[in-house]
Amino acid sequence: DAGITQSPRHKVTETGTPVTLRCHQTENHRYMYWYRQDPGHGLRLIHYSYGVKDTDKGEVSDGYSVSRSKTEDFLLTLESATSSQTSVYFCAISEGTSREQYFGPGTRLTVT
Amino acid sequence: GENVEQHPSTLSVQEGDSAVIKCTYSDSASNYFPWYKQELGKGPQLIIDIRSNVGEKKDQRIAVTLNKTAKHFSLHITETQPEDSAVYFCAASTGTASKLTFGTGTRLQVTL
Repeated sequence: DAGITQSPRHKVTETGTPVTLRCHQTENHRYMYWYRQDPGHGLRLIHYSYGVKDTDKGEVSDGYSVSRSKTEDFLLTLESATSSQTSVYFCAISEGTSREQYFGPGTRLTVT
Repeated sequence: GENVEQHPSTLSVQEGDSAVIKCTYSDSASNYFPWYKQELGKGPQLIIDIRSNVGEKKDQRIAVTLNKTAKHFSLHITETQPEDSAVYFCAASTGTASKLTFGTGTRLQVTL
């Protein structure tokens, strides 16, 4: 998985609780992305980062926030989890120039 | 924003036959088109990509074609093998931070 780890790999949480997912890369790539994968929707971009402390919204950003304090780490936070955020979350990285994106192994999140 | 449609949603072929998956995109500014293979429980894996300055690209048994005028691109897998069974996703990008818009996926089953 191109030097990308995600933690935790599985999580079950209750509605209304905060949740933070972590993506860690060892490739020193500039761009990092968070996607969610749901049946019938493919992968949809939540947020992305184009450098330390530089982030922007994707197409499904409501209810999510992100932070990137170091090149290698990109955090996704659900401030108050809802059942609609039950999904598989994937992190991806890109060097930028080549445009190729490489994905991590994913985190399965269940909100009960 | 960009919209990517992918067909068929499921495809069953016999081992040794060819498989073709088609995608259309809406944004004429899109200029990068990757294809991903996803096996059960894993993250998407980049298998081939094409940029808008070429019409076809081939890598062993897989090839991708691009028709910019019609705004569609296709994945061709020849001499299919059981290990080709997976879900395949197409995607498109206009280049801005390499953000990808994905199709909804095709589940390919290769039967013996």
